[in-house]
Amino acid sequence: EADIYQTPRYLVIGTGKKITLECSQTMGHDKMYWYQQDPGMELHLIHYSYGVNSTEKGDLSSESTVSRIRTEHFPLTLESARPSHTSQYLCASKDTAANYGYTFGSGTRLTVV
Amino acid sequence: QKEVEQNSGPLSVPEGAIASLNCTYSDRGSQSFFWYRQYSGKSPELIMFIYSNGDKEDGRFTAQLNKASQYVSLLIRDSQPSDSATYLCAVILYNFNKFYFGSGTKLNVKP
Repeated sequence: EADIYQTPRYLVIGTGKKITLECSQTMGHDKMYWYQQDPGMELHLIHYSYGVNSTEKGDLSSESTVSRIRTEHFPLTLESARPSHTSQYLCASKDTAANYGYTFGSGTRLTVV
Repeated sequence: QKEVEQNSGPLSVPEGAIASLNCTYSDRGSQSFFWYRQYSGKSPELIMFIYSNGDKEDGRFTAQLNKASQYVSLLIRDSQPSDSATYLCAVILYNFNKFYFGSGTKLNVKP
């Protein structure tokens, strides 16, 4: 049973459109993350948050933005989608304790045409 | 230098054999080490974690950690075709906040 939810699961959208990818978790985790992953390629951290009103850019430069107004919700927004944004976007959350790993959502596969 | 290095594979083993997956990390401040399995088109799922030197066993899986050599491995005994996936090694540093992932090793288990 998933405790972290991403919607939509698949999205095909035209160039120039504004989109928001949703991520919610019910575990009360303070730490949340967004990763971008192309098929067969490695995970790239694009944004993370350590709590409400805290957001940071990750290791991979991204044109997306995030917000963290509530603990359980960490949406990612693209103001103007481009074909180069086509990828899989994975949301994850983590308990504060070091020995607990990330829990990943099921991902959003985005295609910009 | 990458924080976490893995051989991309593919690693091919016959069904029933032991699959050995390896990972090295660069930061001696790394505290905990994780193995994730990712099926094609799916999100990663945690299969094991280890934070002390030595071996940790869970069913058919054994994680091995050697901090002196900065080396983590995952052994899969009695490999099954359903084990065919990409295995990601991840480490977390002393601040416990952010993971560093390797690029993953693709495992093929042949029936």
